[in-house]
Amino acid sequence: GAGVSQSPSNKVTEKGKDVELRCDPISGHTALYWYRQSLGQGLEFLIYFQGNSAPDKSGLPSDRFSAERTGGSVSTLTIQRTQQEDSAVYLCASSLFYLAGGDTGELFFGEGSRLTVL
Amino acid sequence: QKEVEQDPGPLSVPEGAIVSLNCTYSNSAFQYFMWYRQYSRKGPELLMYTYSSGNKEDGRFTAQVDKSSKYISLFIRDSQPSDSATYLCATLSGGYNKLIFGAGTRLAVHP
Repeated sequence: GAGVSQSPSNKVTEKGKDVELRCDPISGHTALYWYRQSLGQGLEFLIYFQGNSAPDKSGLPSDRFSAERTGGSVSTLTIQRTQQEDSAVYLCASSLFYLAGGDTGELFFGEGSRLTVL
Repeated sequence: QKEVEQDPGPLSVPEGAIVSLNCTYSNSAFQYFMWYRQYSRKGPELLMYTYSSGNKEDGRFTAQVDKSSKYISLFIRDSQPSDSATYLCATLSGGYNKLIFGAGTRLAVHP
């Protein structure tokens, strides 16, 4: 597609349920990133993929969070046993090069998946 | 201490004003600095990119980096209502594998 696509755009779930968030990056982009954006907190790095491997998953908040990428393309972020503090916008981004943004610092972001945990 | 600090605002200015947005960072090894703009319910988009110290100008926007004080700024001249958005400063991590963002400053330009 022309841009980074994320689904669902909105998800309301009950505490304790599992959720899956999907990201479809720009075709040909080798690097894929997940960030979380909470009100007033800016973008918090979660995990980075180069191809199908995740060299840096240091930002995942707990073992309830996991992510995978298949075929060097689509990625899924899974949150198990959701808690209210997981409520946030989850943003996916991709870049052409393995260095964040290559020479220009440019990550291409999707519009995000807004998660609300009741 | 966060690696990149940014006042979240909000900042409200009249149309035509000069806007100054600022961030500080903690690691003197950081070399690459960016400003992203995020409209409501959209993903951030790259606005400006600078390397090391100095100024970079693009139309009404000027990005400035002062490495001696670990301070980065974005100036918007002749601000327009269409500039109303959240502005996020960012730097490339030491491992060059991710961007570290500030909290974002919400700007409102009113006619």
